Amino acid sequence: GQQLNQSPQSMFIQEGEDVSMNCTSSSIFNTWLWYKQDPGEGPVLLIALYKAGELTSNGRLTAQFGITRKDSFLNISASIPSDVGIYFCAGKNAGNNRKLIWGLGTSLGVNP
Amino acid sequence: GAGVSQSPSNKVTEKGKDVELRCDPISGHTALYWYRQSLGQGLEFLIYFQGNSAPDKSGLPSDRFSAERTGGSVSTLTIQRTQQEDSAVYLCASSPQGAVYNEQFFGPGTRLTVL
Repeated sequence: GQQLNQSPQSMFIQEGEDVSMNCTSSSIFNTWLWYKQDPGEGPVLLIALYKAGELTSNGRLTAQFGITRKDSFLNISASIPSDVGIYFCAGKNAGNNRKLIWGLGTSLGVNP
Repeated sequence: GAGVSQSPSNKVTEKGKDVELRCDPISGHTALYWYRQSLGQGLEFLIYFQGNSAPDKSGLPSDRFSAERTGGSVSTLTIQRTQQEDSAVYLCASSPQGAVYNEQFFGPGTRLTVL
């Protein structure tokens, strides 16, 4: 099935650094969601975006719904060790409002 | 309130045996999803239930996989004649009625190991 192109696949950063990851789609989306998954847990919703151009923050996290409606990015500022995990983007396109389409995830490591 | 719960948390079985995985969604949520996540991979959609509508089974990988949802609440995912490639974490998620934005709330998953 369709998947989102999520990058980078993995990254390791130093504590205190900022990090950015993004997702792109070949089709227009009307919803973008960003999830985080800790080891041994299910994904937890971080930020939801519903309008093109929307910029939403949740603490040190900021996500944007791209103007083209085919991409989204997630920024984490001043990273801390508990930011470690896998970050997934997910979206819903206008042609199918029942199922989410998922990226393959970005694995984030933070060196203290 | 209580989140999505799944049981068992871990299941080890022998190749060829049948297994049943259970999901209790958030009370009042009408949509329920099953996903499979292999080690280091993303989420693979399996099946979707919405209210009384016919389930979307388009993600089930083979006829050994089936799922039921009784009374619009609890769901059971059954894998018959398990194979080693079925080893994965099986995640369940639910969404509230009228969830136009389709935000899904996940359970902790069941880790299945087929020996």
